[in-house]
Amino acid sequence: DAGVTQSPTHLIKTRGQQVTLRCSPKSGHDTVSWYQQALGQGPQFIFQYYEEEERQRGNFPDRFSGHQFPNYSSELNVNALLLGDSALYLCASSLPGFYGYTFGSGTRLTVV
Amino acid sequence: QQQVKQSPQSLIVQKGGISIINCAYENTAFDYFPWYQQFPGKGPALLIAIRPDVSEKKEGRFTISFNKSAKQFSLHIMDSQPGDSATYFCAASMRNSGYALNFGKGTSLLVTP
Repeated sequence: DAGVTQSPTHLIKTRGQQVTLRCSPKSGHDTVSWYQQALGQGPQFIFQYYEEEERQRGNFPDRFSGHQFPNYSSELNVNALLLGDSALYLCASSLPGFYGYTFGSGTRLTVV
Repeated sequence: QQQVKQSPQSLIVQKGGISIINCAYENTAFDYFPWYQQFPGKGPALLIAIRPDVSEKKEGRFTISFNKSAKQFSLHIMDSQPGDSATYFCAASMRNSGYALNFGKGTSLLVTP
């Protein structure tokens, strides 16, 4: 049974560009959340999607946006990239009713 | 601001010893407290979690102790093994925020042979 799948695994972008990261949740999971993990820090909550809508949002600017598709997969978009956006971006999925999260291995984004 | 404070930042324990990591929180609305283990290049993996109506939960060598009045909780790893060397994160969340996780800054554990 595949867990949470994220793509790509690594990405290098130039400051000012836009990036799209993708996540396929674990089978049977309907809720997808995104986290940003800076080097040496704990993950920070970006937002959560359920039923194709953003349900919760952390303290991130509007440059960060997302989408959830009918098959529960999700995308994270970041516009106008800053050097400070360099981080590991983690996707987490959960079952209906919430029984804890399963995290993917993340996408390492480097902004140069 | 950091809603969950975790200590120590790093920890070295001999094989067979007990590893103890502590966390403190302020928001009394939190009702779910998980611990995650993260290896380099991997995402966090859920180890064990507790709700505030229970003071202790044990799963194998891992135990969470929870002190609701002090707003503190801790992870004990008994009989620590070199394979336990990883970064550990405590977190707190609540139902009315969709259980969005508020993580501590992490503890880097090294278990020496």
